[in-house]
Amino acid sequence: GQQVMQIPQYQHVQEGEDFTTYCNSSTTLSNIQWYKQRPGGHPVFLIQLVKSGEVKKQKRLTFQFGEAKKNSSLHITATQTTDVGTYFCAGSASGGSYIPTFGRGTSLIVHP
Amino acid sequence: DSGVTQTPKHLITATGQRVTLRCSPRSGDLSVYWYQQSLDQGLQFLIQYYNGEERAKGNILERFSAQQFPDLHSELNLSSLELGDSALYFCASSGQVFNEQFFGPGTRLTVL
Repeated sequence: GQQVMQIPQYQHVQEGEDFTTYCNSSTTLSNIQWYKQRPGGHPVFLIQLVKSGEVKKQKRLTFQFGEAKKNSSLHITATQTTDVGTYFCAGSASGGSYIPTFGRGTSLIVHP
Repeated sequence: DSGVTQTPKHLITATGQRVTLRCSPRSGDLSVYWYQQSLDQGLQFLIQYYNGEERAKGNILERFSAQQFPDLHSELNLSSLELGDSALYFCASSGQVFNEQFFGPGTRLTVL
């Protein structure tokens, strides 16, 4: 079945440093979604990418979808303590069910 | 606030027991998804309902069952509970534009 791998599992950064999490799928995806879960909270939808090579920005967050539509990344510039949480990617297989498969997530810890 | 409600917030029960978790989707959303989140397994998709019908099944145990009622609320029934069923159970409903998922606050189940 489809597998979505996400690395790293944890990332500690000093406030102001950049952060990147990577997502790789075993199969070609029709789209990929990103979610953020704050400690003690629930996942919150951030964005969806659909097109090959697509790049989208939300303030300090940059999302990329690979040319082969099998990988994606989320980059945060100049992290802030409010960025703390776990970032999940969720990919839907191309030509298959649109149920997204979630990666294990990357927990971001920002030290002030 | 995502607009998705879940009850109860916390549930503590004993092995062998049966519990029911309840979810009300966002107004207008026809799809409901159930997920189990544990520390070692991440966010696992269990089952999806669309307008009262089962649409997709994931890693749902035979001891678990779900249904979606005419008013679109959904219930997840967990029976013959085991210690390993202790987890956070999230319900989500689908958005209309990107099929993004809006998660409820979750029910934390503890099996003693």
